[in-house]
Amino acid sequence: GAGVSQSPSNKVTEKGKDVELRCDPISGHTALYWYRQSLGQGLEFLIYFQGNSAPDKSGLPSDRFSAERTGGSVSTLTIQRTQQEDSAVYLCASSLMSYLDYYNEQFFGPGTRLTVL
Amino acid sequence: ELKVEQNPLFLSMQEGKNYTIYCNYSTTSDRLYWYRQDPGKSLESLFVLLSNGAVKQEGRLMASLDTKARLSTLHITAAVHDLSATYFCAVDSFASGTYKYIFGTGTRLKVLA
Repeated sequence: GAGVSQSPSNKVTEKGKDVELRCDPISGHTALYWYRQSLGQGLEFLIYFQGNSAPDKSGLPSDRFSAERTGGSVSTLTIQRTQQEDSAVYLCASSLMSYLDYYNEQFFGPGTRLTVL
Repeated sequence: ELKVEQNPLFLSMQEGKNYTIYCNYSTTSDRLYWYRQDPGKSLESLFVLLSNGAVKQEGRLMASLDTKARLSTLHITAAVHDLSATYFCAVDSFASGTYKYIFGTGTRLKVLA
């Protein structure tokens, strides 16, 4: 079956521009997660959604970052006024049930490589 | 604060040899995850360990969990070149209404033919 998909696969933008990154989870998965992977910081947990709700946004690096999920499916991570330190690979994952579910196996998408010039 | 440490960070080994990767975490959690990442690729789930004493095996890889010691190991038996990748462990926790999912630093494994 179809896995988690992300678009675009690569994004090059100029400093100060806004970008939107999209994640399509596996159909029927209720939980969705965003991560950032960079050389300096490793893999960082950014935010999770249970359905359309994001109970905790404290993992987002700054107020320039926001995320939403609609229809319990597609999610968008938006970065406003991008900075060079935002350059990283942004990974999305989904899991079948709640993050509280005992067997919370996550399935990852291919990622979006963001380069801010 | 939840922290996850892996060692070694880099591992170069000969084919046919055995080795163990260690994953220590700093807070109570009964769930530990192992992933594999190939260069330029995303993460592939290898194991989900759910309780103290859990052991899972897939091919030449075996993972175990000791929640009392807050330690998980990933043991590689008779390594082959195809196992060359970066391996991550991760731990999640839910406390005070906050959910966190923390990855270790990763272990870059290179198996030499």
